[in-house]
Amino acid sequence: EAQVTQNPRYLITVTGKKLTVTCSQNMNHEYMSWYRQDPGLGLRQIYYSMNVEVTDKGDVPEGYKVSRKEKRNFPLILESPSPNQTSLYFCASSIAVGELFFGEGSRLTVL
Amino acid sequence: AQSVTQPDIHITVSEGASLELRCNYSYGATPYLFWYVQSPGQGLQLLLKYFSGDTLVQGIKGFEAEFKRSQSSFNLRKPSVHWSDAAEYFCAVGAGYSGGGADGLTFGKGTHLIIQP
Repeated sequence: EAQVTQNPRYLITVTGKKLTVTCSQNMNHEYMSWYRQDPGLGLRQIYYSMNVEVTDKGDVPEGYKVSRKEKRNFPLILESPSPNQTSLYFCASSIAVGELFFGEGSRLTVL
Repeated sequence: AQSVTQPDIHITVSEGASLELRCNYSYGATPYLFWYVQSPGQGLQLLLKYFSGDTLVQGIKGFEAEFKRSQSSFNLRKPSVHWSDAAEYFCAVGAGYSGGGADGLTFGKGTHLIIQP
């Protein structure tokens, strides 16, 4: 089954404690993205990757890092999380313009 | 810069009634337009897309949308809603990969659809 898998789905952490949200897709897509979803703000792109070892900033990259060492994986790294990074995070992949496949989301709370 | 406006934050519709969700976009060229649906606790799923050609496009789950260039709109419609259609709906406009971003999409803020029995 074609899917985008994110882990963890839920996480509560404390300010400053580094964390990684993993994302893996099994569709051989070249393009992958990370979004955050906040009430009243919709979805905002954090980072994207056009292919292995090619990443670039989206609209709200501050406080986040990504890497793309393999085609299927695109982890999101919060080096020093802060409360304003409390959000619902989505990973997505695509092979064609705009046709995104989304993961089920990772709800992160930073205390 | 491209932008998307979904004027209705919430819409309540009776089960079996027709539905229209509004979407207006701002974009300098011919846009790629999309509707996504997000069911509670789920990720977003693509409902339909418009790239070119016929301005009335059909999607999954019985939805359709009409592109009107003169009105910069791409409204989503369904003739008869079911309780399972209760969800958040997002309109998106894209420039394609050449416009920046792996997907180049700008999303609206969403419309929350409530279905009354």
